[in-house]
Amino acid sequence: AQSVTQPDIHITVSEGASLELRCNYSYGATPYLFWYVQSPGQGLQLLLKYFSGDTLVQGIKGFEAEFKRSQSSFNLRKPSVHWSDAAEYFCAVVLYNTDKLIFGTGTRLQVFP
Amino acid sequence: EPEVTQTPSHQVTQMGQEVILRCVPISNHLYFYWYRQILGQKVEFLVSFYNNEISEKSEIFDDQFSVERPDGSNFTLKIRSTKLEDSAMYFCASSEEGYAGELFFGEGSRLTVL
Repeated sequence: AQSVTQPDIHITVSEGASLELRCNYSYGATPYLFWYVQSPGQGLQLLLKYFSGDTLVQGIKGFEAEFKRSQSSFNLRKPSVHWSDAAEYFCAVVLYNTDKLIFGTGTRLQVFP
Repeated sequence: EPEVTQTPSHQVTQMGQEVILRCVPISNHLYFYWYRQILGQKVEFLVSFYNNEISEKSEIFDDQFSVERPDGSNFTLKIRSTKLEDSAMYFCASSEEGYAGELFFGEGSRLTVL
C-alpha cells in the first residue's frame, strides 16, 4: 500500500547529542519530500523539502535531510540537538500531479538536559 | 512576520450543529488548504483551493463539508451537520506557489463535538 512511514513514535535524546529521524515512503515514483515540525500548541512549520537535485538538503534550525532513492528514505538529521528542538516531527510527501500533502504519523522528540 | 490566523481557537458544539471555522491566509498567497488532526493521529489532508475553486479534495471531504473564500481575505471551512468523529484540530494553510513554495500553517482550531 502507498504510505509514508515514520517507524519511531517517540525518541529521547540528551541535549548536544546527534539526532536522526527516519522516514520511508512507498510510492511507485519519487514524490516530493518534506519535513515539518510542530511545537506544542503551534501550527506546522516547514523544516526542509526535496524536489530534485542534490540529495542532501539543508533546512532551517540546523536540520538536514538526505534522500536515498535505493532505500526510499528521507531521514532527518541534526548534529547537535538543543532543548528547544523538543517537538513533533512529521515527514510528508506530495505525489506528482496531485495537490495534497500526505503526512506520516509523526515522531515525538524529547530532549533531556 | 506575516502569519495565517485561525478562529476560533476552540469550539465546542452539539452533534448535528453547523460549524464554520475561519482562516485569514497570508495576503499575497494564492493557494489555500485545510487539514485536520484527530487527537493522537496523523495530520490528514481535507481540501485544496486555488483560483476560487476546489483543486483537490480527500474522501473525508464529503457533502457535509464546504469551503468558501467569501471576501477575498477569509477562507472558511463549514461542516453542515457535525458528527462526533469530526472532533479534531483543523489547520488552515496558505502558500504563494503551492507545494513548490512553502505552506504556512495556522495554529489550528480545535473542534469538540458532543
